Amino acid sequence: EVKLVESGGGLLKPGGSLKLSCVASGFTFSNYWMHWVRQAPGKGLEWIGEIEYDGTETNYAPSIKDRFTISRDNAKNTLYLQMSSVRSEDTATYFCTLWHQGLDYWGQGVMVTVSS
Amino acid sequence: DIVMTQSPSSLAVSAGETVTINCKSSQSLLYSGNQKNYLAWYQQKPGQSPKLLIYWASTRQSGVPDRFIGSGSGTDFTLTISSVQAEDLAIYYCQQYYDTLTFGSGTKLEIK
Repeated sequence: EVKLVESGGGLLKPGGSLKLSCVASGFTFSNYWMHWVRQAPGKGLEWIGEIEYDGTETNYAPSIKDRFTISRDNAKNTLYLQMSSVRSEDTATYFCTLWHQGLDYWGQGVMVTVSS
Repeated sequence: DIVMTQSPSSLAVSAGETVTINCKSSQSLLYSGNQKNYLAWYQQKPGQSPKLLIYWASTRQSGVPDRFIGSGSGTDFTLTISSVQAEDLAIYYCQQYYDTLTFGSGTKLEIK
């Protein structure tokens, strides 16, 4: 069974930094592109970015670029999202997802709140 | 960037009715090299993570009921839900993957 479990969320102040993790199981992690998607409270889905199988290629949404960094550790079956210079509009639930034929599998999400 | 525009933003129907959700992209999602449309549909039920329903614009994900039908090509796409059931209460999103990824704004389906 494919499982994606996010962690690391919480409350932080504007301008701060936070690193989210997503532990994967039930599939060969290193065979798949992985993505982060977020959803602000009561709002729609926003794609954040993606990372290639071995981490050599990453792509980001224009609204995110240069503030967030996606990385992975295939030995630990773990995906990361390093968030920096956060703003109130970064308040959202952050989902880790796996790309196969679409975004086939999703974690349960982790909440990040940015507030002074 | 490719912009995805969904309509309507919400709709309410009675069980058993047929629903049509529209999605329009700002540029063609049809790749000439393989004649495939790079468009997916997702369902997000209240309090849950999204679920992939359809990819390549019209291919149902394994386990998705055949009352969910995706159609369209180029820039105009449709998700049709025939004989809507109470369990179909959700927000539906289209998503392009022709050039990175972009989601539509969502269509909220309510059951009368």
